[in-house]
Amino acid sequence: KQEVTQIPAALSVPEGENLVLNCSFTDSAIYNLQWFRQDPGKGLTSLLLIQSSQREQTSGRLNASLDKSSGRSTLYIAASQPGDSATYLCAVVYSGTYKYIFGTGTRLKVLA
Amino acid sequence: NAGVTQTPKFRILKIGQSMTLQCTQDMNHNYMYWYRQDPGMGLKLIYYSVGAGITDKGEVPNGYNVSRSTTEDFPLRLELAAPSQTSVYFCASSLGPDRYEQYFGPGTRLTVT
Repeated sequence: KQEVTQIPAALSVPEGENLVLNCSFTDSAIYNLQWFRQDPGKGLTSLLLIQSSQREQTSGRLNASLDKSSGRSTLYIAASQPGDSATYLCAVVYSGTYKYIFGTGTRLKVLA
Repeated sequence: NAGVTQTPKFRILKIGQSMTLQCTQDMNHNYMYWYRQDPGMGLKLIYYSVGAGITDKGEVPNGYNVSRSTTEDFPLRLELAAPSQTSVYFCASSLGPDRYEQYFGPGTRLTVT
């Protein structure tokens, strides 16, 4: 079964710390992987999209990497801030499908 | 550019009632999706569409119906609402899932009592 897993489910860190969120998928044949942010009671905001042919994407303090052979992606957040507190979800589009498969997310809390 | 819009924002239904959740996008995206999100869970795909007139079931389609008569609109119909359909519903669209981002609407919070 094509699945997406995110560990840990929750993470609490002090402000200023660099941190890594993990996303695992079960099949290396993917079109792309997308990272989202969701604030409480809100919709999902796209952060980064990594195509299958790419190894990483960067936006500001965020860097996402993709290793298809191991079925893993990481989202690196540099110098975390309280405003980064949110739930982070990853979604994978497996090759040959039109559907996004979502992980259950990592709930991040950055303490001031 | 409004992106993906959803109405209503909130709704309370009684068991057995029906309703339609509206979704509209103004980005000329062919691909549109309906998800539900239960507390502490990820998103589950209900139905999706690859273009006007073409729809297909996702992971959790029972109790729902969809139609896609135009590129812009993708309404989700709940027939005979049940407490298990209490959830937050998100509509999303994409130019093409093989290469492009998916954009989300703000969601509809539905309670069935």
